Amino acid sequence: GAGVSQSPRYKVAKRGQDVALRCDPISGHVSLFWYQQALGQGPEFLTYFQNEAQLDKSGLPSDRFFAERPEGSVSTLKIQRTQQEDSAVYLCASSLLSVTANQPQHFGDGTRLSIL
Amino acid sequence: DAKTTQPPSMDCAEGRAANLPCNHSTISGNEYVYWYRQIHSQGPQYIIHGLKNNETNEMASLIITEDRKSSTLILPHATLRDTAVYYCIVSHFPNAGNNRKLIWGLGTSLAVNP
Repeated sequence: GAGVSQSPRYKVAKRGQDVALRCDPISGHVSLFWYQQALGQGPEFLTYFQNEAQLDKSGLPSDRFFAERPEGSVSTLKIQRTQQEDSAVYLCASSLLSVTANQPQHFGDGTRLSIL
Repeated sequence: DAKTTQPPSMDCAEGRAANLPCNHSTISGNEYVYWYRQIHSQGPQYIIHGLKNNETNEMASLIITEDRKSSTLILPHATLRDTAVYYCIVSHFPNAGNNRKLIWGLGTSLAVNP
């Protein structure tokens, strides 16, 4: 079925490089979330979009992290001047309605980012 | 958000019921209990959620105690494919203008053995 799709599946970058991670949510889903998951840990919230509006970016760890969803569908998470501590799996999730509705989130399989 | 406590690991024999406990003693009246699982190298998969009534779907059953301070996820006939990390999360149902977040713990690593 047409689930949440993330690309690339794996990304290796050198420290200091910029990276861009893409998320294609389920068609028609209003809400989109980004999470960061370190090895052996649960996912940690980064940011939330309702359509094109970024309503919560409280989880972004620094100003090197930037996310956008300009047309309310595809989203990109960009990390500038990458550091080794940015190495993690980045997960994207979408849900049908806004967070004021009690909807489950549907996850992609993530992008595994390794910073050398 | 309320925090949850789960055992770090559990074992279950294939074909038997797997009962995964979760404590959420500080849960408030408008917070839902969600269960997700994550199979190795995959994204989390939604299983079930509930507020105060027991819930059942094609994957599992969720039993919530009357005081709502704990819950149990039941996989009625576990298979090898159910081997995964299971996360119990309480999710605040927000007032207008508040954005709900899922606060994840470490989960329970369930091993289903042949």
